[in-house]
Amino acid sequence: GNSVTQMEGPVTLSEEAFLTINCTYTATGYPSLFWYVQYPGEGLQLLLKATKADDKGSNKGFEATYRKETTSFHLEKGSVQVSDSAVYFCALRNTGFQKLVFGTGTRLLVSP
Amino acid sequence: DTEVTQTPKHLVMGMTNKKSLKCEQHMGHRAMYWYKQKAKKPPELMFVYSYEKLSINESVPSRFSPECPNSSLLNLHLHALQPEDSALYLCASSHPGLAGSSYEQYFGPGTRLTVT
Repeated sequence: GNSVTQMEGPVTLSEEAFLTINCTYTATGYPSLFWYVQYPGEGLQLLLKATKADDKGSNKGFEATYRKETTSFHLEKGSVQVSDSAVYFCALRNTGFQKLVFGTGTRLLVSP
Repeated sequence: DTEVTQTPKHLVMGMTNKKSLKCEQHMGHRAMYWYKQKAKKPPELMFVYSYEKLSINESVPSRFSPECPNSSLLNLHLHALQPEDSALYLCASSHPGLAGSSYEQYFGPGTRLTVT
């Protein structure tokens, strides 16, 4: 079956620190991969996506590379800000299926 | 424009009430979704509509009744809910998702539902 595994949180960082949130997946076929972000009291916002192996998704300083050999899609940012504090969800969507499979989410807390 | 709107933002209802949640998008998407999200958990899929027809029902209790009146609107009718149904209800939309496509889902801000 399809599944997504994310690192346990919370991840606590100081402003301007480097961020990595790990995400690995299990899927048959060739899924598309996504990172969504959820700020407190809000819905989910699409942060970035990648549709095939070696694709790099990027947005607002965040990056993630689709690594088929390691079945991973780790989220990175070179310098986090307090405003990046949120919950980050890794998700996959397999070809021909409408269902998004989410990881459990990782809470990021950035202090000044 | 990648906006999905939901109303109301907050809803408090008793267990004998009937209420409805509404969702709207104008991106030309022909797939729309209802999710339920409990605190500190990822969203759980409830229903999917494709081309205004129900395509997925994730074994949701009948006290939740979805409706898709047209390609832009999605409703969720609520009746005889239980306190454990209190959650954030999220609507999303996307292109229907043909084989080989990566169509991402765009989410609304959600309705915070409290059942008393």
